[in-house]
Amino acid sequence: DAGITQSPRHKVTETGTPVTLRCHQTENHRYMYWYRQDPGHGLRLIHYSYGVKDTDKGEVSDGYSVSRSKTEDFLLTLESATSSQTSVYFCAISESGEQYFGPGTRLTVT
Amino acid sequence: GIQVEQSPPDLILQEGANSTLRCNFSDSVNNLQWFHQNPWGQLINLFYIPSGTKQNGRLSATTVATERYSLLYISSSQTTDSGVYFCASSRGDSNYQLIWGAGTKLIIKP
Repeated sequence: DAGITQSPRHKVTETGTPVTLRCHQTENHRYMYWYRQDPGHGLRLIHYSYGVKDTDKGEVSDGYSVSRSKTEDFLLTLESATSSQTSVYFCAISESGEQYFGPGTRLTVT
Repeated sequence: GIQVEQSPPDLILQEGANSTLRCNFSDSVNNLQWFHQNPWGQLINLFYIPSGTKQNGRLSATTVATERYSLLYISSSQTTDSGVYFCASSRGDSNYQLIWGAGTKLIIKP
């Protein structure tokens, strides 16, 4: 299995609070991604990174920001959490096309 | 952008049966992957198969890129095969964003 960890694995937070999710990899892969998965759907891309300090938006980026200061870490921040951001968040890594996924973080915004 | 459609949406089988899951995509792709999401939510890579045929134990997959479809075959189903099967593909000009189908929910009854 690819060495990808996500923290926290579960989080409950209140509307309006900031939240940061962390993805850590030990594979030294260039690309890292953040997706969200909602019930009955496949995954949708929030943001991705193609190198340290190089990031770009995905299809559902509103309300989210990311940072990548080291190859191994990719942070996803919800500046002011809303109930519509209740979801399961997956991090993925890739070097040459095939993507590998972390275990996911279940976030509930009350 | 690419559209990915999976069929059937749901499939219920007895243990030991064989099944074929289909994934159609609307444009040329340079990446096609099959995943199994188990009942605990973990996403497991099954195949990275932009073209050709691959086999791994009881599972095999075929992608016919010129006709824009991929098939996943599961033989001699086991209860542990239950879950949701996703195919995902990326644009012909980028490896950045995987576009996901809605998935096939497979239930294997003992």
